[in-house]
Amino acid sequence: GAVVSQHPSRVICKSGTSVKIECRSLDFQATTMFWYRQFPKQSLMLMATSNEGSKATYEQGVEKDKFLINHASLTLSTLTVTSAHPEDSSFYICSALIPPGAGIANEQFFGPGTRLTVL
Amino acid sequence: AQKITQTQPGMFVQEKEAVTLDCTYDTSDQSYGLFWYKQPSSGEMIFLIYQGSYDEQNATEGRYSLNFQKARKSANLVISASQLGDSAMYFCAMREGGSAGGSNYKLTFGKGTLLTVNP
Repeated sequence: GAVVSQHPSRVICKSGTSVKIECRSLDFQATTMFWYRQFPKQSLMLMATSNEGSKATYEQGVEKDKFLINHASLTLSTLTVTSAHPEDSSFYICSALIPPGAGIANEQFFGPGTRLTVL
Repeated sequence: AQKITQTQPGMFVQEKEAVTLDCTYDTSDQSYGLFWYKQPSSGEMIFLIYQGSYDEQNATEGRYSLNFQKARKSANLVISASQLGDSAMYFCAMREGGSAGGSNYKLTFGKGTLLTVNP
């Protein structure tokens, strides 16, 4: 099946620094990727939809200036958490949308996630 | 109103027995898709099974089957012959709009059910 990678898998940073997380589709082109956030023992919450070549669409309540998303190529989307604070500590997961019409049941392939800890 | 409701925060099942995980959904769309994912402690999201709103037969994938009752708006996951490796969080998710078009492909997740398989 299709593979989506995320890097880094785990990051610890000091409060006030910025952290960049990469999401790559390894064997298919993804015009659309999604970024989710998951707090411990909670569900996945969609943060934003990343579209190649255009601005990301953010969900209500997500600060676009804090969570910068860049989808510069068909295989790479990045999420930058700017001026991170302890409350930004969370599990961040990306997914890549299989091109519509591909005819497979699994429409989104998920990355393995990035665990961010802000001290 | 919540779009996806999973009423069982936790479930226990004996190894080799079957278990049903509940999921109800709420949408006014005629065309939509329902998904089940497994999330082990490692955090990766593993696709299990998909049911389209127009599919007349219940989806099956190996030991997984989806009990789709459209009128009741329920999409319960049935795991047969449980194995110790099935212990994980299970999420039900919905994509509103059709896969052939007219959808933004966003997924809305339920809060999840933590399944524990006892030896």
